[in-house]
Order: sequence, then C-alpha cells, then structure tokens
Amino acid sequence: EAGVAQSPRYKIIEKRQSVAFWCNPISGHATLYWYQQILGQGPKLLIQFQNNGVVDDSQLPKDRFSAERLKGVDSTLKIQPAKLEDSAVYLCASSLVRQGIYTQYFGPGTRLTVL
Amino acid sequence: GENVEQHPSTLSVQEGDSAVIKCTYSDSASNYFPWYKQELGKRPQLIIDIRSNVGEKKDQRIAVTLNKTAKHFSLHITETQPEDSAVYFCAASIGAQKLVFGQGTRLTINP
Repeated sequence: EAGVAQSPRYKIIEKRQSVAFWCNPISGHATLYWYQQILGQGPKLLIQFQNNGVVDDSQLPKDRFSAERLKGVDSTLKIQPAKLEDSAVYLCASSLVRQGIYTQYFGPGTRLTVL
Repeated sequence: GENVEQHPSTLSVQEGDSAVIKCTYSDSASNYFPWYKQELGKRPQLIIDIRSNVGEKKDQRIAVTLNKTAKHFSLHITETQPEDSAVYFCAASIGAQKLVFGQGTRLTINP
C-alpha cells in the first residue's frame, strides 16, 4: 500500500513568516497525527485527528499553530508567525486499528528551518 | 501524563555482537509499546511492538521484552549488521492512540 505522503520535504523561512505543511494519510486510515521532532529528540505529538475531529491537541501551541483535516482525509498544519524554536522536522502519521491497537505509520516529514 | 526514559543515548557495538536498549515508563495504564528505527533523514519505521498481555516477542534477530511490574521494556538485537546502524526510539501508549516517545538511542555497528 502507498505510504503517508507529506509536502514540502524542506522549507526555509524567516522568523515571523508563515508556513503550511500538507499530509495525505494512507487510504482508509481514520486517525491522523502531527508530530514535532526537534533534532536529537523523539517525536512529540502536536495534534491527533479521528476522521475530521480533534482527539488531542493538548500540546499544540495554539497561539501560533493550527491544523485542520477537512473531509477526514488530507490535513494541513500551519505556523503563523514562526519562531526560531520551531525549527524541527514535522512528521505526519496515520493509523488503522487492528485488535484494539492503533499502529502508526509515519510520513517522510517536512524539515523546517526558521532563520 | 506518561513519561518515557530511554537508555543509553548512544551505543556502539562490534558487528555480530548483540545490542540492548532499555526504556522505562511511568503510567502503569500503558498497554502498547512499539519500537521505531529511524535512519538519517528518513521516516521512523516500526520494527517491532508488544502489548501488555505479552512478556516477550521475537522477530528474527530482534526481540522485545516487557516487565510490567518494573515498568520497563527492552529491545534486543542479535548478530548485529552494519544496516542496523540507526536511531532507535521506544514509545508507550494507552490504547495505542497517543504515543509518548523516548529520547532515542543512536546505535552504531562497527565492522
């Protein structure tokens, strides 16, 4: 099956600018996640969607980050305005539940550099 | 909330030797523990996972053990090969929905 797709793969912006990332999950996967992975650290969940509804956004900096998943398929993550500390890889993942377990499959990520 | 500690942060072993990475978790309600391998610039890839009703799981050269009482789980790689070099992440979750990751272990296999 096709994997999780993300674009762009790389983005360089200046602080205070805006940026948006796009994710297309594996077909049929109802759950979609956005993670932030800072260099040298493990991924940290930003937001989780079940279909087009938000399940968990407790770690999303809502003053500058927003995300949506219209029609329960593709999703976009936006940062406005960006700060230097937002430099990271933004990973999208999707999952399908089997026997009560939501196995997560990751996309290739978008590497964001904020100058 | 859940907190996952992973050790060591770096590990270097000779090709053919075994490697062990250990993780501890804080929430006794966690019931799903996957391990991901991430090569440089690539996506995290699931390599093995274990549920809390199982104490050990093996898949060829990799195995995972879980001690629920002590709240720790470990990844074991035997007969290591150069292609095993990568960063390995453990994770824990309740119901496998919200994964909390460890800090990662950079494994280097020396020829």
